[in-house]
Amino acid sequence: QVHLVQSGSELKKPGASVKVSCKAFGYTFSAYALNWVRQAPGQGLEWMGWISTKIGNPTYAPGFTGRFVFSLDTSVNTAYLQIASLKADDSATYYCARGEVGDALDFWGQGTMVTVSS
Amino acid sequence: QSALTQPASVSGSPGQSITISCTGTNSDVGYYNYVSWYQQYPGKAPKLIIYDVTNRPSGVSARFSGSKSGNAASLTISGLQAEDEADYYCSSYRNSRTTPVIFGGGTKLTVL
Repeated sequence: QVHLVQSGSELKKPGASVKVSCKAFGYTFSAYALNWVRQAPGQGLEWMGWISTKIGNPTYAPGFTGRFVFSLDTSVNTAYLQIASLKADDSATYYCARGEVGDALDFWGQGTMVTVSS
Repeated sequence: QSALTQPASVSGSPGQSITISCTGTNSDVGYYNYVSWYQQYPGKAPKLIIYDVTNRPSGVSARFSGSKSGNAASLTISGLQAEDEADYYCSSYRNSRTTPVIFGGGTKLTVL
């Protein structure tokens, strides 16, 4: 069955970088785009952008340009979110979710909590 | 990115029906039939419960239904159960290259 498995929680110091993985199981990886969604503690969902698993082209929402990078390793059906120069307000749970733009996000990873603290 | 507008909280007693509204604009909710709803329990990932305004994914209870009128979409939960207590988020497609997906601020449902 379809599921997305994300890497475990991370504790990082300000200024460091982090790379979150999202491995897909149970479907053809290139058939659906992958989206990234941020949820700060006690806050709502915020769409960060998406990456085409067909051509690897990322699109970033405003506010997620520059320090945020979406990438793929299609050989292992895995998407990555890398965040550079971490700040305290990057502390959040990051979700990957399957869905073409315009379609609903039908399957979600379990979330990766990133904590940025000195 | 301006979020879709949802009430912060709603409540109802077991067996009752409740409706959660989601107000957008004529560039998103009002123009496209691509409204979806997600249910999220504390500490868990969101789960899709309604897509394309009215459709339920396989396995989602028929007690959940969606509708739309003008720039506002709604999620109705009938026969409220204790297990329905969760956060609910709406989402819509919008005609924007950089922000084609937008979420509502979320609604906390309390079952009294």
